[in-house]
Amino acid sequence: DTGVSQDPRHKITKRGQNVTFRCDPISEHNRLYWYRQTLGQGPEFLTYFQNEAQLEKSRLLSDRFSAERPKGSFSTLEIQRTEQGDSAMYLCASSLARRASEVNEKLFFGSGTQLSVL
Amino acid sequence: QKEVEQDPGPLSVPEGAIVSLNCTYSNSAFQYFMWYRQYSRKGPELLMYTYSSGNKEDGRFTAQVDKSSKYISLFIRDSQPSDSATYLCAMSDGQAGTALIFGKGTTLSVSS
Repeated sequence: DTGVSQDPRHKITKRGQNVTFRCDPISEHNRLYWYRQTLGQGPEFLTYFQNEAQLEKSRLLSDRFSAERPKGSFSTLEIQRTEQGDSAMYLCASSLARRASEVNEKLFFGSGTQLSVL
Repeated sequence: QKEVEQDPGPLSVPEGAIVSLNCTYSNSAFQYFMWYRQYSRKGPELLMYTYSSGNKEDGRFTAQVDKSSKYISLFIRDSQPSDSATYLCAMSDGQAGTALIFGKGTTLSVSS
């Protein structure tokens, strides 16, 4: 399977714990996005990388959230001191831009990590 | 008012029906319009991608964009039970890397 892969698929944690999610994009894709989706809502943008550089962050991404994409390959999203309001599906998407300025919004999503904070 | 409005449904139709799904938006800078299909407990899957106004057809799916009315539609002909899913509209202003703005999604159920 050459699609976007996310791990784990499900995560249950207690309030106050730290959690980390991993995303492996489609191999040739240089852009990687994190979105969050709650029940009955569309995905909401969190952050995006062009190769290893984090270029944009949403106001939704509080100081407790951090994302990395070392060497422009896989990415991790860490949530520290989780709160019940963090419960959501965390979606990763990737895309291919042939130039840094290219507009390419054909995003390919993974199946997401469902986080439940008790 | 949210930037993108989409009736969440649910929408129930019999097999073979024509389905019309719609979104309205407020940001006149949006130029790229997409429809994603999302099955339960899966990520969204890109169905249709259009730039600016006009129609685009792909098999049983037709996407329409009317920028003057800030209104986009997705039509599904000869609907099948396998079309049962949540359909999300999404749009962007086309700046490199700019986040997509999604609607809430419309849940469609096609009965056989």
